Amino acid sequence: GAGVSQTPSNKVTEKGKYVELRCDPISGHTALYWYRQSLGQGPEFLIYFQGTGAADDSGLPNDRFFAVRPEGSVSTLKIQRTERGDSAVYLCASSLLNGLGYTFGSGTRLTVV
Amino acid sequence: KNEVEQSPQNLTAQEGEFITINCSYSVGISALHWLQQHPGGGIVSLFMLSSGKKKHGRLIATINIQEKHSSLHITASHPRDSAVYICAVSGTGNQFYFGTGTSLTVIP
Repeated sequence: GAGVSQTPSNKVTEKGKYVELRCDPISGHTALYWYRQSLGQGPEFLIYFQGTGAADDSGLPNDRFFAVRPEGSVSTLKIQRTERGDSAVYLCASSLLNGLGYTFGSGTRLTVV
Repeated sequence: KNEVEQSPQNLTAQEGEFITINCSYSVGISALHWLQQHPGGGIVSLFMLSSGKKKHGRLIATINIQEKHSSLHITASHPRDSAVYICAVSGTGNQFYFGTGTSLTVIP
């Protein structure tokens, strides 16, 4: 596609539920990044994929968070047993190798009630 | 200590003023990015640079690798430039480190 697409744009869920957030990167972008942004703060790195593999998942806050990219394009961020503190905007970005063409999606606003 | 430091945190300018936002970093980098985020909006990449200077319209970005410092300049600022400007560096392992952003308000 023309840009990085994230769905849904908004998600409200109850505490304890499971959620999946989807990122569709720019076609041909091998690198894909997930970030979390809380109100008034800069993006916080979660995980980075190069192709199908997670090259760096050091930013995932705990084992309730998991992300996959099985075919090297679309990625899904999965959050189990959601907590109110998980409420944030989850941003996805993609790029060519070494950051060329680095582009953000418009984010998914997750609210855990 | 943050890997990326930005200053100032907040900036208010009159329309037409020349604006400078500074970014210093402490890690080895493969590239530095300047990003723009409008209130309630997505993040747009303005520049990616690894040396020297880039210009796009009224925006200029410079980087000094030896001093680990970059600046973003906006000439003839306009109210539509009001946004948060974020400096990010991609480390040698391709992980990104973000500054906390500079909130710019340009008053007509």
